[in-house]
Amino acid sequence: DARVTQTPRDKVTEMGQEVTMRCQPILGHNTVFWYRQTMMQGLELLAYFRNRAPLDDSGMPKDRFSAEMPDATLATLKIQPSEPRDSAVYFCASGLSGRLWTYEQYFGPGTRLTVT
Amino acid sequence: GNSVTQMEGPVTLSEEAFLTINCTYTATGYPSLFWYVQYPGEGLQLLLKATKADDKGSNKGFEATYRKETTSFHLEKGSVQVSDSAVYFCALAYSSASKIIFGSGTRLSIRP
Repeated sequence: DARVTQTPRDKVTEMGQEVTMRCQPILGHNTVFWYRQTMMQGLELLAYFRNRAPLDDSGMPKDRFSAEMPDATLATLKIQPSEPRDSAVYFCASGLSGRLWTYEQYFGPGTRLTVT
Repeated sequence: GNSVTQMEGPVTLSEEAFLTINCTYTATGYPSLFWYVQYPGEGLQLLLKATKADDKGSNKGFEATYRKETTSFHLEKGSVQVSDSAVYFCALAYSSASKIIFGSGTRLSIRP
């Protein structure tokens, strides 16, 4: 049963520290998405990639957030420096686009980030 | 621009009650429409989809019909169970783009 995996599942850190979240998309999927979910803002799209190239990162605070795909099996989301307002659950999702589009995004279990 | 509006929650029902969660959309052209569900502590997962007008998506007793004339995709279930307690997201997407536009989510709680 193919799944999106995310690490760590929980992260508690102090303000000002660097945070790196990792995602392994489902093998063969060519699109990867990063979302942030909070009670106040709901689900927000931060960035997404197709074939490892960034397509849209307009939802991401550029001064402190960065997203990369070093290879097809790994996506990373980095926050430096972290702030208390970054506390949220961060989800990674993957899917297929183009003529193989299956309409569905597969979500990972999320990383719960708490910045104190 | 394209957007999805769904009824605000929380919605609280008794077990075996009839469920409707309203969803309307604003879009150009002919998007595909979806309902995703998020159970406590988990990521979202696709519940059902409809890819063209008048299509009915169904899964696990849930149904939704793509109504182009009213730009709606309301979610219904005839008899809810405690295990249906979750947050439900209405969404739309186009085949030419990868990303999905989600609504704000509706929290559903079912009382035994």
